[in-house]
Amino acid sequence: GENVEQHPSTLSVQEGDSAVIKCTYSDSASNYFPWYKQELGKGPQLIIDIRSNVGEKKDQRIAVTLNKTAKHFSLHITETQPEDSAVYFCAAKGGSNAGNMLTFGGGTRLMVKP
Amino acid sequence: DSGVTQTPKHLITATGQRVTLRCSPRSGDLSVYWYQQSLDQGLQFLIQYYNGEERAKGNILERFSAQQFPDLHSELNLSSLELGDSALYFCASSPGQATNEKLFFGSGTQLSVL
Repeated sequence: GENVEQHPSTLSVQEGDSAVIKCTYSDSASNYFPWYKQELGKGPQLIIDIRSNVGEKKDQRIAVTLNKTAKHFSLHITETQPEDSAVYFCAAKGGSNAGNMLTFGGGTRLMVKP
Repeated sequence: DSGVTQTPKHLITATGQRVTLRCSPRSGDLSVYWYQQSLDQGLQFLIQYYNGEERAKGNILERFSAQQFPDLHSELNLSSLELGDSALYFCASSPGQATNEKLFFGSGTQLSVL
């Protein structure tokens, strides 16, 4: 089945700096790649997603890039703020052979220092 | 607020017992998913229902079962509980027929097995 690796597991940045989280996936038929943000005591919240026919998507301070050839995708957060501190999860939706299953990465704990 | 309601928020029980976790999806969402989140395992997919029918199964133990009722709420039943079942259990729902996309997560049920 699909395997999603996420790096780094923890990331500490200074307020105002950029943060980059990277994920790789194994199923070349995967076609949908969401990113979720989980704040303490809450469930994961979808913040941005991208489909396999698009290379990049941006929404204000966050952007996601996808390299289908290399089977990796990344989350970029610019001008980080303390409220960006949370655990971020990437995920990949496998192809029909994999039952269109959504597989999550292990998570990245982002800490933004004021 | 995601619109997905999970009850109870916390559950403390003993080994060997049985518990039921409840989930009400967002209004109009036909798909319900159950996930288990433990410290060392990340987000693990358990099972999905679509409009009352089981759609997909993940790493769900035989001691666990679920169902989705005609009003679309769902219950996850955990029996013969073991210490290792202690975890955060999330329910999610999604709109439309394309499953495993744009999941909305509830706040979770924290299960502690003593």
